[in-house]
Amino acid sequence: AQSVSQHNHHVILSEAASLELGCNYSYGGTVNLFWYVQYPGQHLQLLLKYFSGDPLVKGIKGFEAEFIKSKFSFNLRKPSVQWSDTAEYFCAVNRPGTYKYIFGTGTRLKVLA
Amino acid sequence: NAGVTQTPKFRVLKTGQSMTLLCAQDMNHEYMYWYRQDPGMGLRLIHYSVGEGTTAKGEVPDGYNVSRLKKQNFLLGLESAAPSQTSVYFCATNPRGGLNTGELFFGEGSRLTVL
Repeated sequence: AQSVSQHNHHVILSEAASLELGCNYSYGGTVNLFWYVQYPGQHLQLLLKYFSGDPLVKGIKGFEAEFIKSKFSFNLRKPSVQWSDTAEYFCAVNRPGTYKYIFGTGTRLKVLA
Repeated sequence: NAGVTQTPKFRVLKTGQSMTLLCAQDMNHEYMYWYRQDPGMGLRLIHYSVGEGTTAKGEVPDGYNVSRLKKQNFLLGLESAAPSQTSVYFCATNPRGGLNTGELFFGEGSRLTVL
């Protein structure tokens, strides 16, 4: 069965620190990959997505993610975090042409001012 | 343009009571989903619908029923609530075919507590 692993459950950083959140998935075929963010008290919003092409994807608010097919990974990065990046981040996988999305368990990021 | 609206936002139930969560969307999307979010478990799919009049089970359907009588509404029902159903419930939608960019559009969530 498909699964998505997010290794870091809680991350605490100071402002201006660099961020990398890990995401690995277990499916050998073609996949669509997503990162969603959930700010406190809000619904999930799309940060970025990868379907095909350039494996380095840029999203909103300075976030980027790199798809490494050989490692089944789609790690999220940001060079310099801000206090406003405090949120929970979810990685998700979808098989093209299907209606089902598999979400990781999420990573809670706290950025200290 | 409200997007995806869930009602109610909060509800407290006693074990055995029934209730219905309503998801309404004004984006004319074909696909609609109900997820539950629990600490340390991410989002798990309860039921989904690929169009008016159709529903299908997700990964955790037990204890829930759904209906999609109108394209814009997707109802999630709990016939006999149990404490294990204490959770935050999210509705999500996306369009079909060429309009589908893969992005799911989420409602703001409904926090349900079963005592």
